[in-house]
Amino acid sequence: ILNVEQSPQSLHVQEGDSTNFTCSFPSSNFYALHWYRWETAKSPEALFVMTLNGDEKKKGRISATLNTKEGYSYLYIKGSQPEDSATYLCAFLGGTSYGKLTFGQGTILTVHP
Amino acid sequence: DTGVSQDPRHKITKRGQNVTFRCDPISEHNRLYWYRQTLGQGPEFLTYFQNEAQLEKSRLLSDRFSAERPKGSFSTLEIQRTEQGDSAMYLCASSAVGRVNEQYFGPGTRLTVT
Repeated sequence: ILNVEQSPQSLHVQEGDSTNFTCSFPSSNFYALHWYRWETAKSPEALFVMTLNGDEKKKGRISATLNTKEGYSYLYIKGSQPEDSATYLCAFLGGTSYGKLTFGQGTILTVHP
Repeated sequence: DTGVSQDPRHKITKRGQNVTFRCDPISEHNRLYWYRQTLGQGPEFLTYFQNEAQLEKSRLLSDRFSAERPKGSFSTLEIQRTEQGDSAMYLCASSAVGRVNEQYFGPGTRLTVT
């Protein structure tokens, strides 16, 4: 059974704060690590797909890093805005998974104005 | 294409009733996945199809669950004799073969069993 863990489970921040979340995953049979943002009543939206050890990706105020040797990824949000409030999911894709994603339990972010 | 769609978005049913959900993937995608998310957990894999063939089923999928993808287009997930433990969000995703890093999710069907 693959173990993908996210922390913290929930986070409340003030508008303008910067924040980060952690995703840990198995360091063997790694193919990719996906980050999704899931807003209430919407489809989960892909943020990043990380494939190479040491990868750093950025989209606006959001960035992510990847360490496959030790099995963790960080997601950073700089200057949080209320519209960033959502559940952030990471998902591990193994080399023999045929596209089946193994998700962490998610981090629920609430940004207060 | 408008993306992956799921119907209904919400379903409330009484224990013991049968329910069926539908997923319409992106039209050129031949892989289709079903996931279930229960409270406080991340989505968990249930089953997947490549075209019309169901290639894998999770142990989470009891005998009361059945999924189909006739003609390799839309898919249905049926739950017979629903139990309160079946209350969850049921998500569908699709991708093209060989493009597993490009998966697109539907908005989910929220099932509540009373």
